This record gives sequence, C-alpha cells and structure tokens, in this order.
Amino acid sequence: ELKVEQNPLFLSMQEGKNYTIYCNYSTTSDRLYWYRQDPGKSLESLFVLLSNGAVKQEGRLMASLDTKARLSTLHITAAVHDLSATYFCAGRGGGSNYKLTFGKGTLLTVNP
Amino acid sequence: DGGITQSPKYLFRKEGQNVTLSCEQNLNHDAMYWYRQDPGQGLRLIYYSQIVNDFQKGDIAEGYSVSREKKESFPLTVTSAQKNPTAFYLCASSTTGDGYTFGSGTRLTVV
Repeated sequence: ELKVEQNPLFLSMQEGKNYTIYCNYSTTSDRLYWYRQDPGKSLESLFVLLSNGAVKQEGRLMASLDTKARLSTLHITAAVHDLSATYFCAGRGGGSNYKLTFGKGTLLTVNP
Repeated sequence: DGGITQSPKYLFRKEGQNVTLSCEQNLNHDAMYWYRQDPGQGLRLIYYSQIVNDFQKGDIAEGYSVSREKKESFPLTVTSAQKNPTAFYLCASSTTGDGYTFGSGTRLTVV
C-alpha cells in the first residue's frame, strides 16, 4: 500500500527567500503529482512528474522526481506572498489502480 | 465547458440523519473518487469507482455509501453510522491517464 509523507507540515518564509518541500513515498508510484489548495477551495494541479529525473518549472515553483530515492521535491524560489497556500503531493499506485494517495500537505505562509 | 460539479456547497446534518452529496461530471471520465479532508490532514480516500456499476472501498469507507449507476454521477451518502462527519468532501474524476479533475467541494457540518 502506497504511503506518502511530506515535510515540513508548516513552513513560514520571508519574501525573497528560497525553500524546499519534500515528499517521500513508500513503494513504487508510477507518477507523482503536486497540487496547491487555497483556504476553503478545491485543488489546483501544479505538476505531474512521470519519470526518474523529471523536472518541471512554472514561475517560482520547480518540482523534481527521483524514483530511486522515492523522493519528490517542490522548490520555491524568491517566495512572494501570493504563494501562501497549502501544497500537497500525491502518488499513484500504478497498474490498473488509478487512485491517488496524498501526503498531509505543507501549509506555506510567506511573510513580507 | 467540461467539468465536475459538486452540490451543495454547504450542507448541515442533524444527528442521526443520512445526507447525500452530489457529484456530476461531463468529462467522459471512467473513474470517480470521493475524498474527505479534515483540518491539518491530507485527503483521505472514502470510495472510488473505475467503471459504472462497480466501486471499491477506500481507506475510510465506514459510515459512507456510494452508487455508480451512471458514468456521469457518483453520489456519496453520509449515514448516521458515521460518527464524526464534519469535514470538507472533495469529488474527483480521471481518465486512465493523468487527467484528474477535482470538484469545488462540499463542506458538511453536524448541527
């Protein structure tokens, strides 16, 4: 059974700083997802990572995947207040099972 | 526009009542899912269905029931057996590939 662990669970940053959120998963996952959630809202898809060494970037966010280490990272560059949200990673078990298993999320607060 | 619609947005349940949350999609997705979210928790899977007339329990199915009579619809009933139903409920659908789409959620509160 796939398990997904994120850390840190809470992250308070100053604007302009860099930081990384880590996502470890327990067994083979054929793809890794990152989502953003604003308070009281649904999930917004950020990245889908399909293969070892995959790196994707959008604005100040960059996600990477190391399948050998069973680790994905979400790197935040020069944080701005608008990035304040909860970020989730999720893995998919693979094969014919399409359900996603989520980490507990990282609540990111960017302070001026 | 194609999408996934959850209703109602807010729902209040009295003790001992069953309530049903609606989830409809017009994306022609085969698979549909129900997740529960509690403060400080990730999303936990309640039930999922990969084809019509078939569904499987997720990690926290006790106190919930579902049906999948039509491809477009996957309603979730929160029964009186669910002792702590106050939460945010998210419905999702997907293709066999990467196309996961989430609804806007239903916030259920016990009064």
